Amino acid sequence: DTAVSQTPKYLVTQMGNDKSIKCEQNLGHDTMYWYKQDSKKFLKIMFSYNNKELIINETVPNRFSPKSPDKAHLNLHINSLELGDSAVYFCASSHNTAEAFFGQGTRLTVV
Amino acid sequence: AQSVTQPDIHITVSEGASLELRCNYSYGATPYLFWYVQSPGQGLQLLLKYFSGDTLVQGIKGFEAEFKRSQSSFNLRKPSVHWSDAAEYFCAVGGMEYGNKLVFGAGTILRVKS
Repeated sequence: DTAVSQTPKYLVTQMGNDKSIKCEQNLGHDTMYWYKQDSKKFLKIMFSYNNKELIINETVPNRFSPKSPDKAHLNLHINSLELGDSAVYFCASSHNTAEAFFGQGTRLTVV
Repeated sequence: AQSVTQPDIHITVSEGASLELRCNYSYGATPYLFWYVQSPGQGLQLLLKYFSGDTLVQGIKGFEAEFKRSQSSFNLRKPSVHWSDAAEYFCAVGGMEYGNKLVFGAGTILRVKS
C-alpha cells in the first residue's frame, strides 16, 4: 500500500483553468503538507495542516486553496492557473512534525 | 533567514569510490536534520535523520551522516558508491526553530561514472 498517494501524477492544462490535486495518507499522521518544487528543483513549503487545521501558509497566492476534509486527506485547489504555476507539487505527511513522508509528486504543466 | 546550503550543485564520482555531500544550516540549537534522495521523476525518499544523541547516524542504502554542531554541518557519506546511487540529494532542516516545517537545500546532483 502506498503511504502517501497523490493524484493525478501528471496534469496538463491551459492558462486560466481551475484544477485540483488530491492527496491521501494511510500512515495515521496528524500533519500534512504541500510543497512546491520549481524548475530548478528547489523545494519550498506552501501549506501545512495539523488535524485539519491550517498552521502554515507561506505567502502563497490566494489562487491556491488547500482543503482538508479529514486528517488523512489534504487537497490542493488552484484557480486561474498561470504559466508560473508549472511545477511539481508534493504532498507529505508527518507525525508530530518529525520526518516527512512524501508522495510521488504531481507534475503540473500550464500551457 | 532560515537557510540550508548545499555548496555542490553537481558531483561526479566513479563507481566504487567514496562520496561526501556537504550540507550546512544557518541556525538552530536543536535542529532536526534529514537527507532525502530523489531519483528522476520520483518522489523524495528519506535516507536518514538526526534528532538527538549519537552524532553519526546510519541510514538506508549504506549511507551515513555526521552532525557537527560546531560547524553547523550534516554531511552525507557513503564509502563505496554504486551506479544506482545516481540521483539528486536534498538536505533538509526542521523542528520548532524552523517553524515545524522542512527547509530544504538546493540539492546536489550525483553522477556515477563506470
